[in-house]
Amino acid sequence: EAGVTQFPSHSVIEKGQTVTLRCDPISGHDNLYWYRRVMGKEIKFLLHFVKESKQDESGMPNNRFLAERTGGTYSTLKVQPAELEDSGVYFCASSQGQVLRDTEAFFGQGTRLTVV
Amino acid sequence: GENVEQHPSTLSVQEGDSAVIKCTYSDSASNYFPWYKQELGKGPQLIIDIRSNVGEKKDQRIAVTLNKTAKHFSLHITETQPEDSAVYFCAASIYGGTSYGKLTFGQGTILTVHP
Repeated sequence: EAGVTQFPSHSVIEKGQTVTLRCDPISGHDNLYWYRRVMGKEIKFLLHFVKESKQDESGMPNNRFLAERTGGTYSTLKVQPAELEDSGVYFCASSQGQVLRDTEAFFGQGTRLTVV
Repeated sequence: GENVEQHPSTLSVQEGDSAVIKCTYSDSASNYFPWYKQELGKGPQLIIDIRSNVGEKKDQRIAVTLNKTAKHFSLHITETQPEDSAVYFCAASIYGGTSYGKLTFGQGTILTVHP
């Protein structure tokens, strides 16, 4: 069974450019989460999709970040325009259900974004 | 919102010794506490978790304890091996309501096990 897959694994862009990160969750997982780890600090929540709907986007830093989940399958996270402080590792995770027994969140390998 | 503090930030042990990582949380409503291990170039992987109705859970060399009154939980690794070397993250979450599944992470602990 395929795990959570993220593309690209690395991205180096210049300040002001646009970057789009993609996440393919485990098939059948309704919940999809985006997290970010900046400069060796803690991993911080960005947002949560349930199928195609945004359940919680309280962690999105500002309106330069746009997340979508087309048809409740894969998700994209676009940063436009990118700033230096956006550099970090972006993780995607998915989980199956909404109750404690289905809690395990499976993480992708992350996309390392460097803005120069 | 929830805040999770994790200590120590780095931990170095000899193979065969035990390692303990401690976390505290602020929101008494949190009821799910997973621990993740992240190896180089990989994403975090769940190694053990505990729910608020349990005080301790063991899985082979790994155990987690939870003290709800004091709002802290700990990871214990016994008989450490070099392959245990990684970054370990604790997290807290509230299941139920609208925020299910949202994890608040600690800062991470770099564990190094020397052969």
